[in-house]
Order: sequence, then C-alpha cells, then structure tokens
Amino acid sequence: LAKTTQPISMDSYEGQEVNITCSHNNIATNDYITWYQQFPSQGPRFIIQGYKTKVTNEVASLFIPADRKSSTLSLPRVSLSDTAVYYCLVVSNTGGFKTIFGAGTRLFVKA
Amino acid sequence: DVKVTQSSRYLVKRTGEKVFLECVQDMDHENMFWYRQDPGLGLRLIYFSYDVKMKEKGDIPEGYSVSREKKERFSLILESASTNQTSMYLCASSLVGQGLLAGELFFGEGSRLTVL
Repeated sequence: LAKTTQPISMDSYEGQEVNITCSHNNIATNDYITWYQQFPSQGPRFIIQGYKTKVTNEVASLFIPADRKSSTLSLPRVSLSDTAVYYCLVVSNTGGFKTIFGAGTRLFVKA
Repeated sequence: DVKVTQSSRYLVKRTGEKVFLECVQDMDHENMFWYRQDPGLGLRLIYFSYDVKMKEKGDIPEGYSVSREKKERFSLILESASTNQTSMYLCASSLVGQGLLAGELFFGEGSRLTVL
C-alpha cells in the first residue's frame, strides 16, 4: 500500500520557482498521483494530476520519474498568494479503492 | 461554477449525541466522499459512494455511517459522537466519467466539529 511522505514546510521568496517532492515508494501500477492546494478555512483544490513523465498546466508542472516512486510539484514564479498547504495524493484501486494523502507541505512565500 | 456545499461550517456537540453532516453537490457527479482532516495526518477517507444508495467503507469507517438517498446529497452520520471525533470533515465529489482513479475531486469548505 502506497504511503506518501512530503516535507512539513518550505519557505520561498516571490518570483522563485518552488519544487515540492513527495515520495510514494510502494505505488502500484495503476495508481495515479494528484496534487492539491489548500488555503485556511477552505477545502483542498485540485492543481494537477499525472501517471508518469511530465505533465504541465497553466499553474504547475508535475514531474514523475520512470520508477514512479516519487513526484515533484513545480510552481513557477510563486507569489504571496501561493502561500498554502500542498497535498500529494496517490489514488489507488489495489486491494480496494483508496486515496492516500500525504500530511501536507506548508509553503510560505515571503516578499 | 462547480459547487459542493456542506450544511454547517461549525458544530459543537456533546458526547453521545447523534450528529448529521450534510453535503450537497450541484455538478451531477456520481462519486461522493467524506474525509476527516487532522493536523499532521492529512485527509483520511471515511466512506465513499459511487451511486445512489451505494456506499463503500474507506480507511476509517468505525464510528460513522453514511446515507445517499439522492444523487446530489451525501450525509455523514455519527451515531454516538465521541471526543476523538472532534475534527474537520470534508465532503468531495467527482465525475464518474473520469473513473474513480483519475480525475479531480471537488471539495466543500469543510465542517469543523467539536465534541465536548
């Protein structure tokens, strides 16, 4: 069963690129990797999802190496409004449907 | 704009009370989920439903039950609330066309329950 591990917190400055890595060593063949953003007093919001290699959308990129045991969320040129908690999620149907969330990475963007 | 609405943002209940948390989505989604969120533990799946009257246990179903009588509504029930059920509860939905594995979860804003 995949367990997701991510750093507890990270600091950055406005305009920098931020990379948050999540490890999921026991990920199974059919599992997907998704990242969510959460602001205080709100529910998580979808950022990006991938299965392998690289996925890019208008807000982020997701890098997944060939062994899929980790994934890296890349946020280009962060701003103060990107200060939030970022969750890595593995969605699995091995042995029953499961959503395995990491404990979250608190990103603090400074001016 | 897509919307998942949870009926109560904040609730305070006493030990032993029966608690209902209601969730409604307006996106015609087949899949609905209940999570609890605790500091340092992330989100943990309590129950989910992929169709009306269908329910499946998640990772931590003990002490909870659910009801899905209509497609748009998914209720979480605490039959006899206990202090260890003090938590943030999040409802989510997703579109079946994307499958359970892939696709986006749409979350409500959460219901913070305190059990005294």
